[in-house]
Amino acid sequence: DAGVIQSPRHEVTEMGQEVTLRCKPISGHDYLFWYRQTMMRGLELLIYFNNNVPIDDSGMPEDRFSAKMPNASFSTLKIQPSEPRDSAVYFCASSLQSGARGANVLTFGAGSRLTVL
Amino acid sequence: AQSVTQLGSHVSVSEGALVLLRCNYSSSVPPYLFWYVQYPNQGLQLLLKYTTGATLVKGINGFEAEFKKSETSFHLTKPSAHMSDAAEYFCAVSDRDNQGGKLIFGQGTELSVKP
Repeated sequence: DAGVIQSPRHEVTEMGQEVTLRCKPISGHDYLFWYRQTMMRGLELLIYFNNNVPIDDSGMPEDRFSAKMPNASFSTLKIQPSEPRDSAVYFCASSLQSGARGANVLTFGAGSRLTVL
Repeated sequence: AQSVTQLGSHVSVSEGALVLLRCNYSSSVPPYLFWYVQYPNQGLQLLLKYTTGATLVKGINGFEAEFKKSETSFHLTKPSAHMSDAAEYFCAVSDRDNQGGKLIFGQGTELSVKP
């Protein structure tokens, strides 16, 4: 398997523009997570899905952020309009529900580095 | 609510020296515990995890960690540092119900290895 695939790897945009980040999870995984990493706040969970359904979006910072998972192999994180404070590395991760005695392990993508000027 | 505290945002060791990265957690019940490593410009990779059973857990690249319930700690160690160990290390916790692997991360510790 190619792992979790994220695109673009780098995005530079101007304030006010719409940004769309994309993620392809590992085939067969039933959970998908979006995290944001900044120097100031570290790694923050934004939202996660189970079987394509959003379970917890309490980490989404504002209404400017939205995430979708239209099918098991694709998810998007959209920021509209973007602001300089959104500059960060955004990670997608996926996992497969383990058995009752197990613990799911997240597999991370390489990240999308967003710079908003 | 769960939380993770990593003591020391930067740790520097000499090549061949012991590596000790500290992690303390706060949870009402013993959680699942993880260490991840992040190399520059890469995503996070799992080093090791503790769920149940033996409290000393061995991971990849010679790392190990010990779960100490009485100290609410899960410190990461490696007997002899290698230059390739230079990276950022994250301790993380999840609930026993695991919620698909939902993790709460510590702030990270950057490890530097001097020749």
